[in-house]
Amino acid sequence: AQTVTQSQPEMSVQEAETVTLSCTYDTSESDYYLFWYKQPPSRQMILVIRQEAYKQQNATENRFSVNFQKAAKSFSLKISDSQLGDAAMYFCAYRFTNAGKSTFGDGTTLTVKP
Amino acid sequence: GAVVSQHPSWVICKSGTSVKIECRSLDFQATTMFWYRQFPKQSLMLMATSNEGSKATYEQGVEKDKFLINHASLTLSTLTVTSAHPEDSSFYICSAGGGVDEQFFGPGTRLTVL
Repeated sequence: AQTVTQSQPEMSVQEAETVTLSCTYDTSESDYYLFWYKQPPSRQMILVIRQEAYKQQNATENRFSVNFQKAAKSFSLKISDSQLGDAAMYFCAYRFTNAGKSTFGDGTTLTVKP
Repeated sequence: GAVVSQHPSWVICKSGTSVKIECRSLDFQATTMFWYRQFPKQSLMLMATSNEGSKATYEQGVEKDKFLINHASLTLSTLTVTSAHPEDSSFYICSAGGGVDEQFFGPGTRLTVL
């Protein structure tokens, strides 16, 4: 079975600074998808970024980028120029197929200090 | 992007009663829907996979007779919590995919059992 581990229950960052959230996973598959989701107080899951395992290039979405290390099964999220609106709970997730079921990590609560 | 809705957004019921939660894909056909449960400040745990026109597949430890899932059409899946008790109080989130090569999350339903 696949597992996803987020070792940082809480993180804080100063506004405009950069923060990195960690995620490791375990799978025996060679092709799969990894995701970072943001869950604000409204509880709506918002897709932040997606990485296909077969792609060597790290995904980037504006201020958000990932460091995908397939051999190490590591998938960290870097948030640059942090904004107050980035404060939320962040979940790392694994899916075997893009439209399949998700396995989530325990989440990291990010606080952004003004 | 595609939209998934849930109804109701919040329901309060008495212990022993049954509650039905709807999950709808508004602008696409979802052959597969997933139901997750989330306790406060915790991760999303997959409860079951709902496939249109067939029986749901439940995760280990989830009581299928207590959490009834019906996926009668390509745009609607329902989760019925039968004989609800206070320990069933939680946040229930659905996601829909399959019809498109993507997956979208609903806004969630908060269930409070008194």
